Amino acid sequence: GDSVTQMEGPVTLSEEAFLTINCTYTATGYPSLFWYVQYPGEGLQLLLKATKADDKGSNKGFEATYRKETTSFHLEKGSVQVSDSAVYFCARGGAQKLVFGQGTRLTINP
Amino acid sequence: GAVVSQHPSWVICKSGTSVKIECRSLDFQATTMFWYRQFPKQSLMLMATSNEGSKATYEQGVEKDKFLINHASLTLSTLTVTSAHPEDSSFYICSASKTSGPGDEQFFGPGTRLTVL
Repeated sequence: GDSVTQMEGPVTLSEEAFLTINCTYTATGYPSLFWYVQYPGEGLQLLLKATKADDKGSNKGFEATYRKETTSFHLEKGSVQVSDSAVYFCARGGAQKLVFGQGTRLTINP
Repeated sequence: GAVVSQHPSWVICKSGTSVKIECRSLDFQATTMFWYRQFPKQSLMLMATSNEGSKATYEQGVEKDKFLINHASLTLSTLTVTSAHPEDSSFYICSASKTSGPGDEQFFGPGTRLTVL
């Protein structure tokens, strides 16, 4: 079945460090791909999305490129901030459903 | 815009009782609502998909008689956990989408933490 695999967490970085969170998906069909973020005590929020191959989603300094050849949608940010501390979920969509990765907890230290 | 609320935010109940959780789209009409379950430090697991006025579609392995879903209007869906037991303790999250296309965004509620004693 459809699945999404994320980089194991937790991830701890210093402020202004470069961030990469890896995400790969099963290649059934041509799914839309998403990154959601869950801040402490809050619901999931859409961070960015890409709907077709080679699309780049970006928001709040985060970027991810839909790579069909490697079935990947890695999340990157050039310089993280303390306020980026949260749990990040990669997800693939198709026929309305979302399939989530296991989530990666990110902690940024000042 | 696109705010989804859940009520209650947390609930504690005795084993054998039923608990109802509400999910509301506050500023838009939700074509479809989804119910997820999240275990500690784990991902979200889709339980069911519901469209207004029709029966919910449950994922494989989800007991439809235990987790009753009602989607009575375009802004309200309810999940009732019937005869709850300690293993039903979990974080339940709903989401809603404005349309029904495959790439459409889902807007998530803040979740409801259920503890069954």
